Amino acid sequence: QVQLVQSGAEVKKPGASVKVSCKASGYTFTSYDINWVRQATGQGLEWMGWMNPNSGNTGYAQKFQGRVTMTRDTSISTAYMELSSLRSEDTAVYYCARAPSSGWSTGTFDIWGQGTMVTVSS
Amino acid sequence: DIQMTQSPSSLSASVGDRVTITCRASQSINRYLNWYQEKPGRAPKLLIYAASSLQSGVPSRFSGSGSGTDFTLTISSLQPEDFATYYCQQTYSTPWTFGQGTKVEIK
Repeated sequence: QVQLVQSGAEVKKPGASVKVSCKASGYTFTSYDINWVRQATGQGLEWMGWMNPNSGNTGYAQKFQGRVTMTRDTSISTAYMELSSLRSEDTAVYYCARAPSSGWSTGTFDIWGQGTMVTVSS
Repeated sequence: DIQMTQSPSSLSASVGDRVTITCRASQSINRYLNWYQEKPGRAPKLLIYAASSLQSGVPSRFSGSGSGTDFTLTISSLQPEDFATYYCQQTYSTPWTFGQGTKVEIK
């Protein structure tokens, strides 16, 4: 079945970086964008950016510009999100989500990963 | 950025009730509006896309309407598994933005 499987929970110190992976299966990895969305405990959903696995093109929310990098390895159908200069406010569950690359439904997340908890604490 | 405002923030309802959640955009977004359902400890699930199209596998008791700036998610007869938090999302322009969520609780 179509699914996205993310890497496990991480605990990082302030100032460090974290890299979360998202492995796709059940569909052609390069045919859909991968987006990243985060959710702090008890808070709402916050979109971080998108990546097109076919071209490698990316687009980041201004809030994360300069701190986030989205990459992929097409040979293993895996997308990555790296967030640097971590601070306590980055403690959240990070989700990858699939969306059509073009057309009316761009930005519509029909398949989500299970989420990765990232805790930033000294 | 386009701001999305949901109301109410929470509501209490009984099984069988008709429930309506509204979402307002800070500018016109045509019909570029999605609805998601989120349950504790689980990833969000797409319910409605393009304002009124039902995602495959979603029960028909869920429906969406609206265009421009005002949108509605309706659950025609609330079921026990529908107690969750619901989010609207605009896909008119990046950054894609979400409403703050509406928590539907058991009365």
